[in-house]
Amino acid sequence: SAVISQKPSRDICQRGTSLTIQCQVDSQVTMMFWYRQQPGQSLTLIATANQGSEATYESGFVIDKFPISRPNLTFSTLTVSNMSPEDSSIYLCSVEKGTGETQYFGPGTRLLVL
Amino acid sequence: DAKTTQPPSMDCAEGRAANLPCNHSTISGNEYVYWYRQIHSQGPQYIIHGLKNNETNEMASLIITEDRKSSTLILPHATLRDTAVYYCIVRAYMEYGNKLVFGAGTILRVKS
Repeated sequence: SAVISQKPSRDICQRGTSLTIQCQVDSQVTMMFWYRQQPGQSLTLIATANQGSEATYESGFVIDKFPISRPNLTFSTLTVSNMSPEDSSIYLCSVEKGTGETQYFGPGTRLLVL
Repeated sequence: DAKTTQPPSMDCAEGRAANLPCNHSTISGNEYVYWYRQIHSQGPQYIIHGLKNNETNEMASLIITEDRKSSTLILPHATLRDTAVYYCIVRAYMEYGNKLVFGAGTILRVKS
């Protein structure tokens, strides 16, 4: 398995602002992913964070709204840009040590946008 | 869309075995069955996965039918801390681009 931490654990933000969420893993991993979980809903994949290249976004998610960085094999960031109350969700980072292996999740970042 | 069907909720008495069913009638030959759980507002926790043989670890047992169209996750002695949403997911192993697709899951309530 892997030990995954996320910062911040929670935040309350004003609409129109942006928040950057960090994901740190205790060992090098091949794959890193970002998910969103809206209130009362299941998890939805936002994008795959690729090391050294642009992230791969799922349908309905765009880079301008959710820019992602992955500078190395243990760290990634997700920015939620120009936030609105509809962005209030839990944002989760997950990792796979090897491609297609078991995926492990971080504790999540709880975001409330007012 | 999720490739699995699970009951929306189940109750279990504390100390008893919790048996959580999952239907995956369209599973492919190279797809594994994964189980995760999510305790309130925490990140999903990996439980177990299997291909066709039954699997057991320190958390649970996974029973997969011979035709692989359904499976059952067994928590042998449920405790109150096992109250969570349980997700059954099918996914090809070691295959790039094969995503985890989460359905609605089963809410398991363990009661004293």
